Amino acid sequence: AAGVIQSPRHLIKEKRETATLKCYPIPRHDTVYWYQQGPGQDPQFLISFYEKMQSDKGSIPDRFSAQQFSDYHSELNMSSLELGDSALYFCASSSDGPPTDTQYFGPGTRLTVL
Amino acid sequence: AQSVTQPDIHITVSEGASLELRCNYSYGATPYLFWYVQSPGQGLQLLLKYFSGDTLVQGIKGFEAEFKRSQSSFNLRKPSVHWSDAAEYFCAVGARTNAGKSTFGDGTTLTVKP
Repeated sequence: AAGVIQSPRHLIKEKRETATLKCYPIPRHDTVYWYQQGPGQDPQFLISFYEKMQSDKGSIPDRFSAQQFSDYHSELNMSSLELGDSALYFCASSSDGPPTDTQYFGPGTRLTVL
Repeated sequence: AQSVTQPDIHITVSEGASLELRCNYSYGATPYLFWYVQSPGQGLQLLLKYFSGDTLVQGIKGFEAEFKRSQSSFNLRKPSVHWSDAAEYFCAVGARTNAGKSTFGDGTTLTVKP
């Protein structure tokens, strides 16, 4: 069965650069979530989109922005990168819609900021 | 605000022994509860979930969990652990609003001894 696809899988950037992470949800899933997992930490919710509209916002820095496109894929844009942004970024998708959705996670993008 | 506590940071069991991972949650109403497993460098895989109904939930890989409202707990169990179960396990609580944002516990690392 198709799963959530994230690209790239690994990304290395320098401080103050920008990065764009992409997420392709499971086909026919209309909700996308972004999580950040720092080294040895639990995943922290950043932001979610339902039917291309932002539906909830968590601890996402102002330097980050995200959107969901007409084909339901989502992109997380990160600017002025800081060392502390080094983390594993997960995307999850769901189809049941709020409030009973089950989230299926992608493999993650490992971002390293040097 | 919703929160999750996993009291055990690290658990070691012998292969073939039984396993119980503890999870306590805080939520204003009946929560949505999840257990995920994460192998090193990998994404999160959903083991099981509780939304309503039968409080004993069966999941994949022989795992089960029991929702106990009186104790605000959702402990994960497996009768006989296999070496391949060594991983990190996350309990999560999902809101019944706001597109189902999930809050994760800090995780429990399971080591399996031969």
